[in-house]
Amino acid sequence: EAQVTQNPRYLITVTGKKLTVTCSQNMNHEYMSWYRQDPGLGLRQIYYSMNVEVTDKGDVPEGYKVSRKEKRNFPLILESPSPNQTSLYFCASSPNSRSGANVLTFGAGSRLTVL
Amino acid sequence: GDSVTQMEGPVTLSEEAFLTINCTYTATGYPSLFWYVQYPGEGLQLLLKATKADDKGSNKGFEATYRKETTSFHLEKGSVQVSDSAVYFCALTVGGNNRLAFGKGNQVVVIP
Repeated sequence: EAQVTQNPRYLITVTGKKLTVTCSQNMNHEYMSWYRQDPGLGLRQIYYSMNVEVTDKGDVPEGYKVSRKEKRNFPLILESPSPNQTSLYFCASSPNSRSGANVLTFGAGSRLTVL
Repeated sequence: GDSVTQMEGPVTLSEEAFLTINCTYTATGYPSLFWYVQYPGEGLQLLLKATKADDKGSNKGFEATYRKETTSFHLEKGSVQVSDSAVYFCALTVGGNNRLAFGKGNQVVVIP
């Protein structure tokens, strides 16, 4: 089944404890992206990647890191999480980076709570 | 920058009622427009899209028409069901990449 898989789905952690949210897609998509969803703010893009080894900041990149060493994986790293990073996170992918009409496939989401 | 504005607040309506969710956009180029739907506990999934002016996207009884003159992409359904209860997001992309700008979303609750 074609899908985007995120792990963990739920996580409660404490301020300052490094964590990684993994994202993997099995569709050979070039483009991958991370979003956070907060009440009243909708979805905001954190980072995106046009292809392997190509990443760029989205609208709210502060406090996050990403890497794209392989086409299928796009982990989101929180080096020192803070309570304002408590949110619902979505990874998404699409076939290529060159068409604005491509449809994103989303993962099921990762709910992160930072105490 | 490019942006999408959705009407404020949740929408509560009875089964078989007519649904409209307004979406207007601001873009410097010629955007592709999308409606995504998020069912409870799930990720977003595409509901419909339109890539040029006057295109109509449709799926599952929902429709939206790309109106360049009013910069709008309003979502409509003639007769909603309880299973349509979800959060609906309008979004756009512009240019040669897949950066999506999302609206804030509208919670739709359909009461039996």
